[in-house]
Amino acid sequence: EAEVAQSPRYKITEKSQAVAFWCDPISGHATLYWYRQILGQGPELLVQFQDESVVDDSQLPKDRFSAERLKGVDSTLKIQPAELGDSAMYLCASSLGRAGGPLTDTQYFGPGTRLTVL
Amino acid sequence: GNSVTQMEGPVTLSEEAFLTINCTYTATGYPSLFWYVQYPGEGLQLLLKATKADDKGSNKGFEATYRKETTSFHLEKGSVQVSDSAVYFCALSEKRGGSNYKLTFGKGTLLTVNP
Repeated sequence: EAEVAQSPRYKITEKSQAVAFWCDPISGHATLYWYRQILGQGPELLVQFQDESVVDDSQLPKDRFSAERLKGVDSTLKIQPAELGDSAMYLCASSLGRAGGPLTDTQYFGPGTRLTVL
Repeated sequence: GNSVTQMEGPVTLSEEAFLTINCTYTATGYPSLFWYVQYPGEGLQLLLKATKADDKGSNKGFEATYRKETTSFHLEKGSVQVSDSAVYFCALSEKRGGSNYKLTFGKGTLLTVNP
């Protein structure tokens, strides 16, 4: 069964350092999402891509966070500089994102990257 | 805007007990509704889905029925197992044009099943 891949699974960094997370969606999925999940809460959308274009980055702290999906396949989320409050699980998800059909909007999640900022 | 409200946990049950986790939503239009499950240290896994009123989603013994009249999507299981211990998230999918959808999650309900 196809899965969303993420790496690394765990990352420990010191504040003010740069960190990057990678996501490879399910093959053929046009839409890719990055979420942040703080312990004990539900995921919150940071950025959404349709192919290589950003369709929603309204909740992305753009002074320190950036995301790209240059070829419309895999994606990288970067934080620079990291702050203590960035400690969280970062989840990537993908969906078919093509018009029509019951699976268009179903999102499939990767295992996440647990970030700890010291 | 759209929102999802789940019963607050934690919920603690004995093995083979009946489970209900309540979920209600507020939405414009006709969203799809989802239940996701998250095991400790892992990402979210899709548990079940319903796309229109009166649809019943089911998987691994879990069921939920899309009730438009009560704007609810309660999760049920007749006999829980220790392996069902996890956090359960209710979510709705809002269409924002074309093939652009956004998921809105509830805060999650922690379920612990004791042997």
